[in-house]
Amino acid sequence: DTGVSQNPRHKITKRGQNVTFRCDPISEHNRLYWYRQTLGQGPEFLTYFQNEAQLEKSRLLSDRFSAERPKGSFSTLEIQRTEQGDSAMYLCASSLERDNYGYTFGSGTRLTVV
Amino acid sequence: AQSVTQPDIHITVSEGASLELRCNYSYGATPYLFWYVQSPGQGLQLLLKYFSGDTLVQGIKGFEAEFKRSQSSFNLRKPSVHWSDAAEYFCAVGGTGGFKTIFGAGTRLFVKA
Repeated sequence: DTGVSQNPRHKITKRGQNVTFRCDPISEHNRLYWYRQTLGQGPEFLTYFQNEAQLEKSRLLSDRFSAERPKGSFSTLEIQRTEQGDSAMYLCASSLERDNYGYTFGSGTRLTVV
Repeated sequence: AQSVTQPDIHITVSEGASLELRCNYSYGATPYLFWYVQSPGQGLQLLLKYFSGDTLVQGIKGFEAEFKRSQSSFNLRKPSVHWSDAAEYFCAVGGTGGFKTIFGAGTRLFVKA
């Protein structure tokens, strides 16, 4: 198992464009989380899935953000009509349901909106 | 509301010196507490966690942390710092539901030779 994989590692996009990030969790982990980390801050919770069900969404996740986890495996996070304020590191983590908070984080996708 | 405060934005220590990173939390019940480390351009790695029991918790890489309920603190310590410990350190508390973690703003550790 290679851990949690995130692609791409870096993304530069123009304001107003749509972007999509992918996260491949550890294969036996049924929980998957998305966090956002801006410069000089700790990660902030965005959303989490248990299998394919999205069970919680933060108020940080505006209508321009959507996350999916079809078939309970990989997940995608899409941002529509990007704004400069969306520039951040987007971190994915996964865990087993029985292992509360036992996250394994990926290396993240750094988004720069110009 | 649950929150985590790391009072020191950055700390510089000499290699071989001891280290203590401060963390204070606000949580209504018995907290789940964590310390993570993040190297530049990398994801977060769990150093140690406290759920219950012994208030002195041992972690990886020679780190330990002590839970003090009376002070709402969970400070991270290491007796002798190595240059490879230079990184950003995040204290965190587990929120309700067993899925949401609340992170502090982090403390950047610099190690001088």
